[in-house]
Amino acid sequence: DGGITQSPKYLFRKEGQNVTLSCEQNLNHDAMYWYRQDPGQGLRLIYYSQIVNDFQKGDIAEGYSVSREKKESFPLTVTSAQKNPTAFYLCASKDRGTANTGELFFGEGSRLTVL
Amino acid sequence: SQKIEQNSEALNIQEGKTATLTCNYTNYSPAYLQWYRQDPGRGPVFLLLIRENEKEKRKERLKVTFDTTLKQSLFHITASQPADSATYLCALRGYNQGGKLIFGQGTELSVKP
Repeated sequence: DGGITQSPKYLFRKEGQNVTLSCEQNLNHDAMYWYRQDPGQGLRLIYYSQIVNDFQKGDIAEGYSVSREKKESFPLTVTSAQKNPTAFYLCASKDRGTANTGELFFGEGSRLTVL
Repeated sequence: SQKIEQNSEALNIQEGKTATLTCNYTNYSPAYLQWYRQDPGRGPVFLLLIRENEKEKRKERLKVTFDTTLKQSLFHITASQPADSATYLCALRGYNQGGKLIFGQGTELSVKP
């Protein structure tokens, strides 16, 4: 089945450690996104990529890094510079075709807890 | 400042009634507005899109309205069922937002049998 796979589902990290969250899609979508979700807040955009080997900062990129070496993959690294990394992280993709509804397809999320 | 706001208080209704959720925005010029459903611990799932030149959209028991004068979208679920219990997110894409989607914080709906 086509979809987006995020891993791991749950992740615990000690302060000062970098962690990488995986996001893989087999929908053949060009655009991919990383959002952060905190209780009582809307999803906030961290980074997005419209095409392979290119990505842009979103609204809260500080302390995060990404790469887009393959169309299918868009990993997110949460670095030690991120001051409050405990959150629910969501990866999404979108079809850039002109007939699309702008619908985002989301993965199941990764919950990161800093101990 | 720009804001997109949904009712922060949970909405509790009886099975069979119509649930109405509100999404208000300030200082945006939306090209379209979307509604998503999110279950606990899961990713959001797309439900409906309504464009700026559309007043109403329907899909089965779902209805969305869009009033650009009031700067508001209403999301209705008719004949609600306990299985409709979830958090519902609205998201808008503005003409001056570089194509990005801006999300509201979501409203939790609980349908009691």
